Amino acid sequence: KQEVTQIPAALSVPEGENLVLNCSFTDSAIYNLQWFRQDPGKGLTSLLLIQSSQREQTSGRLNASLDKSSGRSTLYIAASQPGDSATYLCAVRPRDSNYQLIWGAGTKLIIKP
Amino acid sequence: GAVVSQHPSRVICKSGTSVKIECRSLDFQATTMFWYRQFPKKSLMLMATSNEGSKATYEQGVEKDKFLINHASLTLSTLTVTSAHPEDSSFYICSAPWAGNTEAFFGQGTRLTVV
Repeated sequence: KQEVTQIPAALSVPEGENLVLNCSFTDSAIYNLQWFRQDPGKGLTSLLLIQSSQREQTSGRLNASLDKSSGRSTLYIAASQPGDSATYLCAVRPRDSNYQLIWGAGTKLIIKP
Repeated sequence: GAVVSQHPSRVICKSGTSVKIECRSLDFQATTMFWYRQFPKKSLMLMATSNEGSKATYEQGVEKDKFLINHASLTLSTLTVTSAHPEDSSFYICSAPWAGNTEAFFGQGTRLTVV
């Protein structure tokens, strides 16, 4: 059974720092992995989607990597800003699923001004 | 990208009443939609898969009679929380895959508070 773990559960860093959020999954048979952002009381914003055949994806200050063989993904945020404060969720789509996603519990990120 | 609209975004209801949450695909047809529930500081958990024109498929442990799902058209799925209790208070979110695309799209979520 696929399980997704995100470490740390919470992270607080000063503005301007580069940081890395981690996501691990137990079964490498995935179709893709996706990173989302969730603001308090709000819905989900898709940040980056990495197909199983890809190693990384970049969007602005965000870079997500995928190492399927080791069951790991990282989300790198460069030059963090207070507006980056949110909960970041990763989710994998198992290869045999019908678009269903398996979710991590998220990392709550606070960027201090 | 495709748009999925979920309504309402927030609802407060009294114990014992029922609440209906709507999930619409605005610019594409969705034969399948997914309903997730998020507990505080926990992962999103799949509750059920909504299938247009047929019965929903519920995950283990989800009460079918409590969480009624109807997928009456190719653009609308509804989740009705019946006889709501405070423990049903949670964040509910729907998603719909778009045929030909590799990702599913999400609604904005509904924060349900039962008092």
